[in-house]
Amino acid sequence: QKEVEQNSGPLSVPEGAIASLNCTYSDRGSQSFFWYRQYSGKSPELIMSIYSNGDKEDGRFTAQLNKASQYVSLLIRDSQPSDSATYLCAVPFSGYSTLTFGKGTMLLVSP
Amino acid sequence: DAGVIQSPRHEVTEMGQEVTLRCKPISGHNSLFWYRQTMMRGLELLIYFNNNVPIDDSGMPEDRFSAKMPNASFSTLKIQPSEPRDSAVYFCASSPARGARGYTFGSGTRLTVV
Repeated sequence: QKEVEQNSGPLSVPEGAIASLNCTYSDRGSQSFFWYRQYSGKSPELIMSIYSNGDKEDGRFTAQLNKASQYVSLLIRDSQPSDSATYLCAVPFSGYSTLTFGKGTMLLVSP
Repeated sequence: DAGVIQSPRHEVTEMGQEVTLRCKPISGHNSLFWYRQTMMRGLELLIYFNNNVPIDDSGMPEDRFSAKMPNASFSTLKIQPSEPRDSAVYFCASSPARGARGYTFGSGTRLTVV
């Protein structure tokens, strides 16, 4: 069973705060992990990928991976109202060549 | 690069009609994916092509759905006959490598079947 679980939210944070988005996945053999951002009425956009345990930073975004616990998280520092969107976690399960997406977490950043 | 191009952007059709959705992937991308997105089920993979060959069509819901990729620059997803439960946003995505990497999505086609 290929499962990628995310809290649907909405996660509400004030401007300038840190937003923490979490994702768990069912396949211990998964090797790569992706975060997509989707604005309302738009298509998903890749913002982060991570392959190794630990942290990967890109500007205000940090992806964290813990393969033993089968979770991946996305931290957004200094959150801005323009970060308000749905964030999708995507995982390729072992033996498959395609991405399985979680249903996404809606983030609302208030000014 | 123009990105992944989908047409039409919106489609409203009556139940029982044939619907054809079109996709032009990014030039040089070898993998093409069709996904369907609904509030209830999220993003679901329908079919995956690599080098124009269908590799995984296990997500195609039933025989009413068919997809083709006659060449590297064009793919179609056809629904015949359409039903109200097919109403969703259909996304095409492409990737430069075989298998799961960071996809680039098209703008999507919002299909409404009445």
